[in-house]
Amino acid sequence: QVQLQESGPGLVKPSGTLSLSCAVSGDSISAYWWSWVRQPPGEGLEWIGEISHSGSSNYNPSLRSRVSVSIDNFKNLFFLTVNSVTAADTAIYYCAGGNFWTWNHWGLGTLVTVSS
Amino acid sequence: QPALTQPASVSGSPGQSITISCSGTSSDIGGYNYVSWYQRQPGKAPKLILSHISNRPSGVSSRFSGSKSGNTASLTISGLQADDEADYYCSSYTSSASYVFGSGTTVTVL
Repeated sequence: QVQLQESGPGLVKPSGTLSLSCAVSGDSISAYWWSWVRQPPGEGLEWIGEISHSGSSNYNPSLRSRVSVSIDNFKNLFFLTVNSVTAADTAIYYCAGGNFWTWNHWGLGTLVTVSS
Repeated sequence: QPALTQPASVSGSPGQSITISCSGTSSDIGGYNYVSWYQRQPGKAPKLILSHISNRPSGVSSRFSGSKSGNTASLTISGLQADDEADYYCSSYTSSASYVFGSGTTVTVL
């Protein structure tokens, strides 16, 4: 049973950097592709980006200039960084994993608020 | 990239069948069979209920079924149950090597 747990600051200042990590347990991190998905208040889900165990990555074209996804295979962790954040980046952030263009495994999500 | 279009809400009585549509373009739904559906209930992690248009993961009820025609995918829930109340999201792979979600549909069991 794969389990994912997001962690990171719940409050980030405008123009600052949002950094989150996702801990993977129950299986090898090399078994899947890993994604970040977010949901702003009152809105739908938005895919942010993904990474493989080898470091290959893909990003949402609308966020590509500000986001980065990285991975630490030895610690079974992957990470999200979002630069130059604004209030529009306030959201519940989910980490998710899967193969073949789908996500079988999800974390419970963590709320990140951008505010001074 | 704009979100895929879903109805904001769908409702039905217990035992009835409901269908949720998910409309996209030839650059996403129409171009690939990589359409998935997710169920999100309050306080729970999103759950995959269908992959590749109509494939049910192990443990997902056969009451959930999916289809695709052109640029539109559909999720049908038959024999509606109270536990089916949730938000449902479609997703599709896109020609930009990225993914797009639907706007989400709230299912209410009357």
